Formats: sequence, C-alpha cells, structure tokens
Amino acid sequence: AQSVAQPEDQVNVAEGNPLTVKCTYSVSGNPYLFWYVQYPNRGLQFLLKYITGDNLVKGSYGFEAEFNKSQTSFHLKKPSALVSDSALYFCAVSLFDSWGKLQFGAGTQVVVTP
Amino acid sequence: GAGVSQSPSNKVTEKGKDVELRCDPISGHTALYWYRQSLGQGLEFLIYFQGNSAPDKSGLPSDRFSAERTGGSVSTLTIQRTQQEDSAVYLCASSLNRGAGSSYEQYFGPGTRLTVT
Repeated sequence: AQSVAQPEDQVNVAEGNPLTVKCTYSVSGNPYLFWYVQYPNRGLQFLLKYITGDNLVKGSYGFEAEFNKSQTSFHLKKPSALVSDSALYFCAVSLFDSWGKLQFGAGTQVVVTP
Repeated sequence: GAGVSQSPSNKVTEKGKDVELRCDPISGHTALYWYRQSLGQGLEFLIYFQGNSAPDKSGLPSDRFSAERTGGSVSTLTIQRTQQEDSAVYLCASSLNRGAGSSYEQYFGPGTRLTVT
C-alpha cells in the first residue's frame, strides 16, 4: 500500500526567509509525486510534479521540490517566502499503474509573518 | 479557458435523503476524479474515470455511493440514504491523460460542501 507523510502540522516562517515543507512517501514501485496548495475556501491548486527525469523540479509561484529516492522524500522549498504563501499545502503520490488514484498527505499549514 | 466547475456549491440535506453532486470537467480532459475532504479523514480518493475504461471505484466508502460519467464529460456523484458522516466537501478534478499530451496533474474544482442534518 502507498502512503504519504507530512510530519509537520504547521510551519511558521518570517517573510523573506526560506520555506521548506517536508514530505516522505512509501510505495512499492516508482512514484509519481505532486504538491498542491489550498487557499481558504478554495479548491486545490497544482504547484509541481515529479514523474521522471531531473530530481529537482520547478513549479508555480517560485516553488521547487527535490525528489530523493534514497530518502523517499519530496520536500517543497521556496528561497524567499511571501505573506501570500500562507496556505495549506498537500503532498500526494500515485503509482504508474494507478496514476489516477492520488494518495494525499494530511497537509501542512504554512504561516508567513510580515 | 474555463476550469472544473461543480454544482451546487453548498447542499444541506436531511439524513436519509439522496443527493446528486455534479461536475463539469475541463473541456478535452480525458480523466475525471472524485475526492472527499473532511476534517477527520483529510483528502480521500473516491473514484476515477479514464476514457471508456471501467472506472476505478476502489475508494467508494460504501454501496450508498455511486458515480457515472455521461458522454465522456459531465459526471454525477450520487449518495443514497445520506448519513451525518457523509458531511464533507466533495471535490472533482480532471486531467489530460492521452498519449503524448499526458500531463497527469489533476485540476480541481471549488468543491461542493455537503451538510447532512
């Protein structure tokens, strides 16, 4: 069975500082990995994905993530956080033979203070 | 272009009643998905449709839940004999998964908030 863990319920960071949101996964095959963001009372927005190729992937709004197969991690990063980055972030995983079935982490609330 | 739309945005129903939730995917997207988001369970996969293939229903929590997709486009999620534990936000998503244009990321609608009283 596949699973995703986001070990932090909340991450607090000052504006301008680096932001990291952690994600680890457990799957029995090659994973497809995704990050989504949810703003209050809105649906999920796609940020970035890892399917194959370069381990460092870049996405929307200046976010990037690094796929680390040995550590089974896919941490989300942004070099300089903005107050507008405050939102709920979800990591998700699926497998090649069931790519439509996303397994989501519990979510991490990011709070960026001015 | 237009994104995924869902209707109604909010639905309040009495326990035991049936409800239908509608999803209009992005035009041209071949795959459609339903998820449920609740405080206690987080985001849960329910079902997905890909083209003309049989849907993957493995996430449906009980036989009171069913979904269909007509003409490869619009989808309806039906919950029969609603229970209070069905209260949640139901999210629909679509993606382009066909040949060289496959992208795999799912685009979500705003959701339908279902409250069972």
